[in-house]
This record gives sequence, C-alpha cells and structure tokens, in this order.
Amino acid sequence: QLQLQESGPGLVKPSETLSLTCSVSGGSISTSSYSWGWIRQPPGKGLEWIGTMYYSGNTYYNPSLESRVTISVDTSKNQFSLKVSSVTAADTAVFYCARWGRASAALDYWGQGTLVTVSS
Amino acid sequence: QSVLTQPPSVSAAPGQKVTISCSGSSSNIGNHYVSWYQQLPGTAPKLLIYESNKRPSGIPDRFSGSKSGTSATLGITGLQTGDEADYYCGTWDTSLRAGVFGGGTKLTVL
Repeated sequence: QLQLQESGPGLVKPSETLSLTCSVSGGSISTSSYSWGWIRQPPGKGLEWIGTMYYSGNTYYNPSLESRVTISVDTSKNQFSLKVSSVTAADTAVFYCARWGRASAALDYWGQGTLVTVSS
Repeated sequence: QSVLTQPPSVSAAPGQKVTISCSGSSSNIGNHYVSWYQQLPGTAPKLLIYESNKRPSGIPDRFSGSKSGTSATLGITGLQTGDEADYYCGTWDTSLRAGVFGGGTKLTVL
C-alpha cells in the first residue's frame, strides 16, 4: 500500500522560504504513469493545487504561484520536495503531498497533511 | 474564485439522495476526466471518483459520478451521518496547464 508522509518546519518567518519534503513508501517514485504533487488548504478554506512533477523532470505549476514555487524529485531517496519563496501570512495552510495519475487526472494517494504557519 | 464552480452547501435527510454539481469550461471539464474527493473534518481528502465515473476499490456504490459537456455531478444515495463532509471536484485545465479544484461543497445530513 502506497504511503506518503510530509515533513518540514511548522513555522516559517515572513519573506523566508518554506521547504517541505514528502517521503513515499510502498512504491517507486520513478514511474512515468504518475506525477508527484502538492496541494494546500488555508485554514477554513478550500483546496488549492500547487503543482506536480514527473520523475523525468516535467513540471507543472499553478500560474498564480509559479514565480515562487519549485518542486523537485529525489529518486535516490524516493522523495519529492516543495519550496515556496518569499512567504507571507497568506501562505499559511495545511500542505498535502499526493500522487497524480497521468491518465486519470486524479489524486489517488494523499499524505496526512502538515500545517505550516507563516509568522514572525 | 475557483476555476470550477460548486454549490457551497447541500443538505438532505438520512437515507435520501443528494447530488453535487461541478461546472467548468471546455478547457477543463469539457476535455478532461473529473475526480471527486471527500474530506471528513480534520482529515486529508480521499479520492471518491476518478475518470468521471469510476470508484476506487473500497468506495461503496452509494457514490456515483457523471459528466456531461462542461459539467459533472457527484451523486450520493442512502445518505448516512458519516457522509457529512466537504466534497471537492477536480480536473486538469489545458489552458492553465495545471490542476484545478472546485471551491468545495459542505454536505449536511439532517
């Protein structure tokens, strides 16, 4: 059974860079059938798609976040990561990592989520 | 504003049926599969429907999905109190080259 687990600081200062890692177990990240993505959910609000990356390197980002977001994959560790630069309080959210099916366009496995608060 | 439009809330009595709509455009729903997610309070979203009308293993057949043109619908029959949750539709948007979600619909089972 595939499992995803987010990790990273729960508190980030304004203007700094938010960094999260998603560890994948029970399956390989090196597959062309799926990509690996991030979704966030501000407190009390809906889901926002951040971006996704195939292990081959193809990456797709939400246009509204693209200038500040980087997703990378480390196949040797079976992990993928998210960086969001120049954060503000508006970036406070629960961040989820998930697997995205290329053919189905569905997020079929999700991590439990991790709350990141942007505050000084 | 979300790219996909859902009603903010729906409600129905236990045992009844409810439908949740998701409206988009030709750049998203009109040309791509739709997925639906259930988010119980305090938990991560869970995939309910993929490829517009297929259920993952373990999802009861009380949940169904359909798509027509640029709209999609999630149906839930035999409502249970445990179905109270937020429901989101999602798909790919060709113009944005990104995934998109609806704003979410809160289901209340009265």
